[in-house]
Amino acid sequence: SQELEQSPQSLIVQEGKNLTINCTSSKTLYGLYWYKQKYGEGLIFLMMLQKGGEEKSHEKITAKLDEKKQQSSLHITASQPSHAGIYLCGADSNFGNEKLTFGTGTRLTIIP
Amino acid sequence: ETGVTQSPTHLIKTRGQQVTLRCSSQSGHNTVSWYQQALGQGPQFIFQYYREEENGRGNFPPRFSGLQFPNYSSELNVNALELDDSALYLCASSWGTAYGYTFGSGTRLTVV
Repeated sequence: SQELEQSPQSLIVQEGKNLTINCTSSKTLYGLYWYKQKYGEGLIFLMMLQKGGEEKSHEKITAKLDEKKQQSSLHITASQPSHAGIYLCGADSNFGNEKLTFGTGTRLTIIP
Repeated sequence: ETGVTQSPTHLIKTRGQQVTLRCSSQSGHNTVSWYQQALGQGPQFIFQYYREEENGRGNFPPRFSGLQFPNYSSELNVNALELDDSALYLCASSWGTAYGYTFGSGTRLTVV
């Protein structure tokens, strides 16, 4: 079965600083999803990447997919308190079947 | 607003009891999946329903069962509750392939 490893597990960043979260898969990535979760709440969809080399941005968040490395990264520029939460990567084991395997998450704390 | 509504938000049950969790998907979303998220972990795929038929199952025992209804609502039933079933249960729905999921806010189940 596919496994996703996220790093770091937790991150404390001063407001205004940049940060990167990584997600590495044990198998080929057919679709990679990034979600954000506030503690104990549902997941908020951020981005979906499907093709190797694909890069998407939304506001100050950029995600990239390196198909060869079976890895994705999420980069936040000029972090804000609203970015705090748990970031989860999820992957399809086969393209489009949407039965996602998730990583254990990266807990992001933003300090003033 | 996510468009996916789960009820109840919190629930406390006794070991050995049965529980039914409900999810109301966005109109037109013909695929619904259920996930279990233990504290500090990423969501684990339970099963998926497509047009009222089970369309894949994760590594969960048969006492976890589900239903999907024509009105885009669905249920997760768990029989013979165990303490380890305590978790956040998330419902997610989508239009289908490669559109990404919309998650509900979850039901927090505590088994005592």
